[in-house]
Amino acid sequence: DTAVSQTPKYLVTQMGNDKSIKCEQNLGHDTMYWYKQDSKKFLKIMFSYNNKELIINETVPNRFSPKSPDKAHLNLHINSLELGDSAVYFCASSPLGLAGDEQYFGPGTRLTVT
Amino acid sequence: AQSVAQPEDQVNVAEGNPLTVKCTYSVSGNPYLFWYVQYPNRGLQFLLKYITGDNLVKGSYGFEAEFNKSQTSFHLKKPSALVSDSALYFCAVSDSMEYGNKLVFGAGTILRVKS
Repeated sequence: DTAVSQTPKYLVTQMGNDKSIKCEQNLGHDTMYWYKQDSKKFLKIMFSYNNKELIINETVPNRFSPKSPDKAHLNLHINSLELGDSAVYFCASSPLGLAGDEQYFGPGTRLTVT
Repeated sequence: AQSVAQPEDQVNVAEGNPLTVKCTYSVSGNPYLFWYVQYPNRGLQFLLKYITGDNLVKGSYGFEAEFNKSQTSFHLKKPSALVSDSALYFCAVSDSMEYGNKLVFGAGTILRVKS
C-alpha cells in the first residue's frame, strides 16, 4: 500500500494553462503539506492543512490554490502557469503536525511548463 | 526564523569507510531536527530525528546522527558506507506552529560512495 500518493507523476503543459495535482494519504494523518523542489533541489514549504483547515500559506502566488476535501486528500490547483512554476511538487503528511512529527512524502509530481 | 546549513555540496567516500554529512542549525527555542534522504526521481524518505534525550540518535539503514548543542550541529554518520547509500541528503529543522509544523530544509548534500 502506498502511504502518500500523488497524481500525475509527470505533467507537461504550456504557459497560461491551468492544471491540478492530486494527493492522497492512507496513514490516517491529520496534517498535509505541499512542498516545491526547484531545479537546484532546494525544498520549500508552500502550504499546510490540518483537518481540512489551511494553517500555512507561505507567500505563494495566489495562482496556487490548495483544496482539502477531507483530511486524507490535499489537491493543488495552479492557474495561468508560468515558466517559473516548473519544479517537482511534493505532497507530505504527518500525524498531528506537531514539531516532533516526521513527515511522510509522496513520490513527487514533475511539472514542466513550456 | 529557524534555519539549517549544510556546508558541503558533495561528500565522496569509499565503500566500507565511515561517512559524515554535516549540518548546523540555528533555532530559537528547542531544536527539532531531522534527516531525510532522496534517491534519484524519488520522494524524500525519513531517516531519523532528534527531539530530546540522548545526543546520539539511531535511524534507518544503519545511519545515526549526533546532536551537539554547544556546536549547534547535527551531523549524520554511518560507520561503514555502502554504494547504495549514494543519494541526496537533507537536514531539516521544524519551524513549528500549533498543528502546522513546517520543515525548513538545508540545501542538501550529495553523497557519493565509490566501490
